[in-house]
Order: sequence, then C-alpha cells, then structure tokens
Amino acid sequence: QVQLQESGPGLVKPSQTLSLTCTVSGVSISNSNYYWSWIRQPAGRGLEWIGRIYTSGSTNYNPSLKSRVTISEDTSNNQFSLKLSSVTAADTAVYYCARVSIWFGELSSYHYMDVWGKGTTVTVSS
Amino acid sequence: DIQVTQSPSSLSASVGDIVTITCRASQTISIFLNWYQQKPGKAPNLLIYAASNLQSGVPSRFRGSGSGTDFTLTISSLQPEDFATYYCQQSYSTPRTFGQGTKVEIK
Repeated sequence: QVQLQESGPGLVKPSQTLSLTCTVSGVSISNSNYYWSWIRQPAGRGLEWIGRIYTSGSTNYNPSLKSRVTISEDTSNNQFSLKLSSVTAADTAVYYCARVSIWFGELSSYHYMDVWGKGTTVTVSS
Repeated sequence: DIQVTQSPSSLSASVGDIVTITCRASQTISIFLNWYQQKPGKAPNLLIYAASNLQSGVPSRFRGSGSGTDFTLTISSLQPEDFATYYCQQSYSTPRTFGQGTKVEIK
C-alpha cells in the first residue's frame, strides 16, 4: 500500500524559508512510472499546484512561485522535499504531497495525482 | 497558463438526485482532465482521470465525459457520502491548474 506523509515545521516566520519533506512508503521514488508533486491549499480556498520532480531529478515549477521554489529528492530515504523561500502570510496553507501516475492511452500519456498525503498546515507568522 | 473554470461554484441536492458539474478549459486540452473529490479536512481523492476513466475503487455512479474544452462530471444517484467539494484539473501542460471547486451540499 502506497502512503505519503508530509512533515516539517507548522510555523514559519515571514521572510524565512519553508521546508517540508514527503516520506514515501510502498513504492520507490526512483520508479520511472511516477512523478512526485507538491500542492497547496489556503484555508477555505482552492488547490494550487506548486511543482513536481521526476526520478531523473528533473523538475517543473509553477511560474507564480518559480523564483522561490526548490523541489529535491533523497532517494536513500525515499523522500522528496519542498523549499519555499522568502515566505509571506500569503504562503499560509495546507501543503500536500502527491504521487503522479501515468496512463498510456492510445494517443498520448496522461498524468493524474492518485495518492496524496494527509497534508500539513503551515502558518507564516511572526 | 491554462485556466479551468468550473460551474456551478455550489449546488444543493438531495440523496438520489442526478448531479452534473461542468469544467471548461481556456484552450483545447483533448482529454487531459482529471476530477477529484475533497471532504473537509481531508486530502483530495482522485475520481476520474483522462476525462472519462474511473479510478479503481471509485463507485460507478461517478462518470466523466467531454473532450476539447468542455467536460462534465455526473453523479448518477447522489449518496450521503458524496457531499463534498469537487475539483477538475488539467494535465495538458504545466503549470497544472485546478478549477475553483464545486461544493455539493445537502438540500
């Protein structure tokens, strides 16, 4: 059974760096059938995709956050991580990690987030 | 970025009702469209991928359809456990984007 678990500080001061880790069990993050993503959700609001990492270490980020975001992997511990620098109150949210699976259809390959962590709340406040 | 617009933003329905939620993309995205259900305090749960493929373990009363720019999620007979917020998400290009959500409430 595949499980993802977010961990990290629940409170971060403005201008500092938010650091979260997603620990994956039941599957290797080096498995080339999957990508690994971060998504966030401010209280009472919708979902925002932050970015993803692939087994090769290649990454894609949301341009709205790109200058502040780094996603990295630690294959030895089967974890991937999120760093978001220069945080403000607008970065207060529930942060989720998720596995991205791939379905190979007739014409293309299709990605979808099929396993999610429970989420962790991060508050930016002094 | 591809914008994804859901409608309605909320609806009230009764158990047994047929519920339809629509999602429109700002450009054609073929069938690169997924649907998720989210209950309060929980992570989203995948229902449908590639517009019409039912995720394993999801009840067959959930059906997705559409291609291009217009998509629909239909719940054929609403059950008590279906009261939740539903999101569509495009996977055609990065950044991935979500609709703003449709909250399904009890009438």
